[in-house]
Amino acid sequence: GAGVSQTPSNKVTEKGKYVELRCDPISGHTALYWYRQSLGQGPEFLIYFQGTGAADDSGLPNDRFFAVRPEGSVSTLKIQRTERGDSAMYLCASSLNSRYTGELFFGEGSRLTVL
Amino acid sequence: GQQVMQIPQYQHVQEGEDFTTYCNSSTTLSNIQWYKQRPGGHPVFLIQLVKSGEVKKQKRLTFQFGEAKKNSSLHITATQTTDVGTYFCAGDYGQNFVFGPGTRLSVLP
Repeated sequence: GAGVSQTPSNKVTEKGKYVELRCDPISGHTALYWYRQSLGQGPEFLIYFQGTGAADDSGLPNDRFFAVRPEGSVSTLKIQRTERGDSAMYLCASSLNSRYTGELFFGEGSRLTVL
Repeated sequence: GQQVMQIPQYQHVQEGEDFTTYCNSSTTLSNIQWYKQRPGGHPVFLIQLVKSGEVKKQKRLTFQFGEAKKNSSLHITATQTTDVGTYFCAGDYGQNFVFGPGTRLSVLP
């Protein structure tokens, strides 16, 4: 596709449930990033992939959060046992080469609401 | 820890007035990027500054990177209603890339 695609655009779930958020980066972009943005705040780094491997997962808040990118393209962010505090906009971004050597292209985001 | 601060948090201007947002880091940055996020939208890249003292212009937007590479500014001349949004700086610390909290700009017609 022309840009970074994220699905679903909106997800409402109940506390304790499992959710998956999907990101399809720009074709050919090897670097992929997940960020979390709460209302009125800047994007908060979660995890960075270079190819298939998670090169930096230091931003994941706890072990309920996990992300994969098995074929070096599409990535899935997985959240187990969701909590109300997980409610936020989850943004995916990709860039052409290695980390932060150029602009990040963001998707429209997946808004997660945990009731 | 590595933290990027931005001021002001909010700015309301009359259309045609100028606007400036400032970004500050306690430690030296490798480079800095600026993004704009329209209401309900996603961050869109504006520019990257790499060199100490660098100044770049994009039409009515002027970006500066401080001599010590610890601060940066974005200045908009003669704001228009299309400038409405939140402007984020993002600092590259080499191992980490940290977004500031943003400055939300409102432009009154």
